[in-house]
Amino acid sequence: GENVEQHPSTLSVQEGDSAVIKCTYSDSASNYFPWYKQELGKGPQLIIDIRSNVGEKKDQRIAVTLNKTAKHFSLHITETQPEDSAVYFCAASNPDRGSTLGRLYFGRGTQLTVWP
Amino acid sequence: DGGITQSPKYLFRKEGQNVTLSCEQNLNHDAMYWYRQDPGQGLRLIYYSQIVNDFQKGDIAEGYSVSREKKESFPLTVTSAQKNPTAFYLCASRVWGGGETQYFGPGTRLLVL
Repeated sequence: GENVEQHPSTLSVQEGDSAVIKCTYSDSASNYFPWYKQELGKGPQLIIDIRSNVGEKKDQRIAVTLNKTAKHFSLHITETQPEDSAVYFCAASNPDRGSTLGRLYFGRGTQLTVWP
Repeated sequence: DGGITQSPKYLFRKEGQNVTLSCEQNLNHDAMYWYRQDPGQGLRLIYYSQIVNDFQKGDIAEGYSVSREKKESFPLTVTSAQKNPTAFYLCASRVWGGGETQYFGPGTRLLVL
């Protein structure tokens, strides 16, 4: 099955700085890569996702890049704010694969802390 | 939380007891999933289901059981065979065919007395 590795496990930045979280995956058939933000005691919320036919996607201060050849993808948050503090998870899947119902394979998460 | 409800928010289990966690969605989603979350381990898949009366084991199904009698409901039972049940349990759902995003519920925290 798929194996997703995520680094770093913790990340501290000053408000206004950028934060980068990196993930690698093992299954070349994976073609969908979402990122989730989880606040304490709550369920994960999708913040951005990318399909393998796209190399980069942006949404305001958040961007995701994908290198399909190297099998890695990254989350970039610019101009960080204290409310960005949370745990971030990357995931990989093949939503079109009927045998696994498009199940997500998750990284272990990154605790991001943004200091004012 | 995208129309997915989980109850209760907190659940306490006594030794040898089975407990059932509720997951309901009003999104008309076909596929539903149960994940277990432990500190530092990310989310691990317990069971998943595409249609009524059909479900498959995930990576850590031992000690758990599910049912899918209605499209909108996917309850998870933590049996007494699950020796380390303390965790945060998350339910998710997605459209099947044309939709990729999994939406998560708010979670249930299970604690052992």
